[in-house]
Amino acid sequence: TQLLEQSPQFLSIQEGENLTVYCNSSSVFSSLQWYRQEPGEGPVLLVTVVTGGEVKKLKRLTFQFGDARKDSSLHITAAQPGDTGLYLCAGASTNAGKSTFGDGTTLTVKP
Amino acid sequence: NAGVTQTPKFQVLKTGQSMTLQCAQDMNHEYMSWYRQDPGMGLRLIHYSVGAGITDQGEVPNGYNVSRSTTEDFPLRLLSAAPSQTSVYFCASKIRGGNYEQYFGPGTRLTVT
Repeated sequence: TQLLEQSPQFLSIQEGENLTVYCNSSSVFSSLQWYRQEPGEGPVLLVTVVTGGEVKKLKRLTFQFGDARKDSSLHITAAQPGDTGLYLCAGASTNAGKSTFGDGTTLTVKP
Repeated sequence: NAGVTQTPKFQVLKTGQSMTLQCAQDMNHEYMSWYRQDPGMGLRLIHYSVGAGITDQGEVPNGYNVSRSTTEDFPLRLLSAAPSQTSVYFCASKIRGGNYEQYFGPGTRLTVT
């Protein structure tokens, strides 16, 4: 079974601060997705990373895939209250036929 | 496109009752899956299907049945509900192959008393 560990589990910061969320595993993944989930709704895909060392930017969000494709990070610059939510990472390997989700990081950005 | 739709939004069952959670998608996605989400435990895969007529078990399949007679629909059946099945259930779909980018429905919040 492939396991994904996310840290921190909870994060509460002030508007304008920077933060980084981590997603780590001992398994190699062919791709890794980051999702954001708001209360009462389903997860929404933010980004997919595929290549070791890959960096993708989505406005103030920067996603990085580790060189060995075992870990990933999400960095948010100048967080805003609208960034509040549960951030989930999910890893997939071609031969597994399915994704494994981390337990998530709950982010609260206070105005 | 409506994307992935789920009904009902909320449901309360008594122990031992049965029910079916409905899931439909209009994106012609071959791959569909069911997850449950419990506090602090992320999303756990219950069952999945790679196409009509094909289903397989995920990591927590006990107490749940599925079938896939059409590409669009993937219902989840609880045969005899138990309090341990109190959870939020999400259905998701994606294209066959690709990078496992899944599209999720809005969820069904189920309480079993």
